[in-house]
Amino acid sequence: EVQLVESGGGLVQPGGSLRLSCAASGFTFSSYWMSWVRQAPGKGLEWVANIKQDGSEKYYVDSVKGRFTISRDNAKNSLYLQMNSLRAEDTAVYYCARVIADCSGGSCYSWAFDIWGQGTMVTVSS
Amino acid sequence: DIQLTQSPSFLSASVGDRVTITCRASQGISSYLAWYQQKPGKAPKLLIYAASTLQSGVPSRFSGSGSGTEFTLTISSLQPEDFATYYCQQLGTFGQGTKVEIK
Repeated sequence: EVQLVESGGGLVQPGGSLRLSCAASGFTFSSYWMSWVRQAPGKGLEWVANIKQDGSEKYYVDSVKGRFTISRDNAKNSLYLQMNSLRAEDTAVYYCARVIADCSGGSCYSWAFDIWGQGTMVTVSS
Repeated sequence: DIQLTQSPSFLSASVGDRVTITCRASQGISSYLAWYQQKPGKAPKLLIYAASTLQSGVPSRFSGSGSGTEFTLTISSLQPEDFATYYCQQLGTFGQGTKVEIK
């Protein structure tokens, strides 16, 4: 069964750090772009970050640039999100997702998130 | 950056109704658009990608169309399990969502 399972969420104070993990199974992890997508309570979906199959390309939404780092370990079939300098507005459910990417010539034209984890809640509050 | 605007934001419909949701892009995006369904407390589910390609396992009552700046998601005959929130998406941008509720 194709599956993504997130872990690492919790309550953290503003300015603190947290590392999320996502364990993949049932597919060839190293063949896919991967993403983190978040959803604040009662709000819509917000893409956070993407990473290429070999980790050589990474992209972030502007609001997390310089604070969050996406990474992967293909040997462990795992995706990570290191979150530093956390703010109240980072409070959300964080999902990892597999990406169907349409890329050529160094540019990507389309991402579709076809497999999602169950999500892990991150609460930033004092 | 591309903006995606969905309409309506809220839709009240009955079982058996034909439902159409529109997603407008702020600039042309060819056919590079996906649609998702999300039920409360659950992860989103991919319904359609490349504007009109039905994801494996998704019922055929769901269909997508459009290109350029205007796209539609159509549910031909609304079923009880279809009451949910629907999002369009292109690259790193999601629409604001359309909540479909029971009339």
